[in-house]
Amino acid sequence: QSVLTQPPSMSGAPGQRVTISCTGSSSNIGTIYNVHWYQQLPGTAPKLLIYGNTNRPSGVPDRFSGSQSGTSASLAITGLQAEDEADYYCQSFDNSLTAWVFGGGTRLTVL
Amino acid sequence: EVQLVESGGGLVNPGGSLRLSCAASGFAFSTSDMGWVRQAPGKGLEWVAAISSSSGHIYHTDSVKGRLTISRDNTKNSLYLQMNSLRDEDTAIYYCARMVAVAGTGTHYFDYWGQGTLLTVSS
Repeated sequence: QSVLTQPPSMSGAPGQRVTISCTGSSSNIGTIYNVHWYQQLPGTAPKLLIYGNTNRPSGVPDRFSGSQSGTSASLAITGLQAEDEADYYCQSFDNSLTAWVFGGGTRLTVL
Repeated sequence: EVQLVESGGGLVNPGGSLRLSCAASGFAFSTSDMGWVRQAPGKGLEWVAAISSSSGHIYHTDSVKGRLTISRDNTKNSLYLQMNSLRDEDTAIYYCARMVAVAGTGTHYFDYWGQGTLLTVSS
């Protein structure tokens, strides 16, 4: 059972918009601790997608955006493409566990 | 170009020991916080351990405390994970990652990852 809760799977057609949620608590997302997002393509290492709730590293398309409100965060992907088919993970810090924590991951399928 | 290259994985018996290494290049390793993250087969990501740039702050997830120990050698640009009393549930791909502090919060994200090294604990 992950400290951060994500839907196990989602799907969308090419060109559509999908939003992946990440729900935490008052000891992680609901505090000063930011949420970060990673994309893991099949058979590869995770890649940083969003940091500090809303920031994209250089090279990440602006189709990817992040937001945070209260004890939840979201990753939005617009103009869905076949290459976006991957696992997506949210991550934060939990001060009651003194631990960096990940969501369970969301497998995105592009139909 | 930032590179993180893990090595040392393999097959080990339950109760055995192993040391993973991560060779870093392309960035200022000695001033970077570092961590290990693992992924069991078919499962999600799990943070394992973190170490500050000068080794002054070290953290381990509860399930590995007393068995797995993170360390680093800044003269060799290398990160290590000493693994003792290994269990079946330690079977995973172990990733080395650079940790970047978020300004004003004191916490981190993982911006660069190695390709991972597979540890299998089985008799």
